[in-house]
Amino acid sequence: DIAMTQSPDSLAVSLGERATINCKSSQSVLYRSNNKNYLAWYQQKPGQPPKLLIYWASTRESGVPDRISGSGSETDFTLTISSLQAEDVAVYYCQQYYSTPLTFGGGTKVEIK
Amino acid sequence: EVQLVESGGGLVQPGRSLRLSCTASGFTFGDYAVSWVRQAPGQGLEWLGFVRSKSYGGTSEYAASVRGRFIISRDDSKNIAYLQMNSLRTEDTALYYCARDPSRTSHCNWFDPWGQGTLVTVSS
Repeated sequence: DIAMTQSPDSLAVSLGERATINCKSSQSVLYRSNNKNYLAWYQQKPGQPPKLLIYWASTRESGVPDRISGSGSETDFTLTISSLQAEDVAVYYCQQYYSTPLTFGGGTKVEIK
Repeated sequence: EVQLVESGGGLVQPGRSLRLSCTASGFTFGDYAVSWVRQAPGQGLEWLGFVRSKSYGGTSEYAASVRGRFIISRDDSKNIAYLQMNSLRTEDTALYYCARDPSRTSHCNWFDPWGQGTLVTVSS
């Protein structure tokens, strides 16, 4: 199984400042035949189901604000919120879909400082 | 609107069975794979398994933690996916979500959208 490790567990960022969340996989999730990283990011607000933000590591889902972006390759990935807004307070999860069982990171809680 | 709605959760005793349903609307259900994911209280997300679309055989795959106890199936005529849970344990207590894989391939990928979830509590 591919283990996904997120860091930090939580972070507090001032409004308008940058938030950076890291996700590391225990093995590469880059499929060389199509040069795609099999990694997605989700946002979960309290009392709500997760919402897809990013897939293929950096492709933003329709409707996701462009202040949210994904980057990285192979085993190291980053979700960046360039200018934190109040509505971004949530828990963020990475997920690999390179192989089954699909696995999630443990989550990163983002709060306002 | 593309929507998934789970139902069938509740309180069940250890060792008993429960079947959850995931009713889809707003899209051609039969074209998409569906996964089940659970979230224990205050915890993270755990993928349980998925059922492929009939175009890819309608077969299912499972996480090791539930393989042999849980069965995922689908009825495309009713736009419903099912999660049959047998031999339930206290550690199966969680909020159970179904989620669509929008990629329409045989491989299980990302999830969008998710249902609101149905709570299963396993306790004597």
